[in-house]
Amino acid sequence: GDSVTQMEGPVTLSEEAFLTINCTYTATGYPSLFWYVQYPGEGLQLLLKATKADDKGSNKGFEATYRKETTSFHLEKGSVQVSDSAVYFCALLTGTASKLTFGTGTRLQVTL
Amino acid sequence: DSGVTQTPKHLITATGQRVTLRCSPRSGDLSVYWYQQSLDQGLQFLIQYYNGEERAKGNILERFSAQQFPDLHSELNLSSLELGDSALYFCASSASTGASYNEQFFGPGTRLTVL
Repeated sequence: GDSVTQMEGPVTLSEEAFLTINCTYTATGYPSLFWYVQYPGEGLQLLLKATKADDKGSNKGFEATYRKETTSFHLEKGSVQVSDSAVYFCALLTGTASKLTFGTGTRLQVTL
Repeated sequence: DSGVTQTPKHLITATGQRVTLRCSPRSGDLSVYWYQQSLDQGLQFLIQYYNGEERAKGNILERFSAQQFPDLHSELNLSSLELGDSALYFCASSASTGASYNEQFFGPGTRLTVL
């Protein structure tokens, strides 16, 4: 079945540091890939998405590229801010299924 | 604000009880999804409804059931509650179904605590 593996957290960075959160997937067919963010006490918000190989999703300075050859969708940001502290979830959705399959989430803590 | 509303925000109840969680999708969205977020299981898909009909089922227990009403709001019913049912329950909605690019918009969740 479909699955998503993302790096364990928590990830602790200083403000303005470079961020990478690794995500790899296993899926039948050609999934769409997503990064969701959950701020403390809130629901999930879509951060970015990519629907086909080599697509790059980007939003709020975050980027992720759909790499079919390595089945990866790593999240990156060049300079993190304290306000980026949250839990980040990688997820996939295939055309034949309606459900999102999530990774376990990676907690990011950014300090001054 | 995603446009998806969920009530109540918090629910505290006892083992063996039954509760109902309510979700209103974004205006115009026909699909509603329910997910459970717990510390040990992570985020798991429970069930999906599309325009009033059950469309997909995930790891939903037999004690749990859901429905989508003609006005498209949905309710998740949890019965014979156990301590392990304590979790955050999310509702999401999307415009349609079956296409991999359909973005799902999440509500703020209902936090259920079973004592």
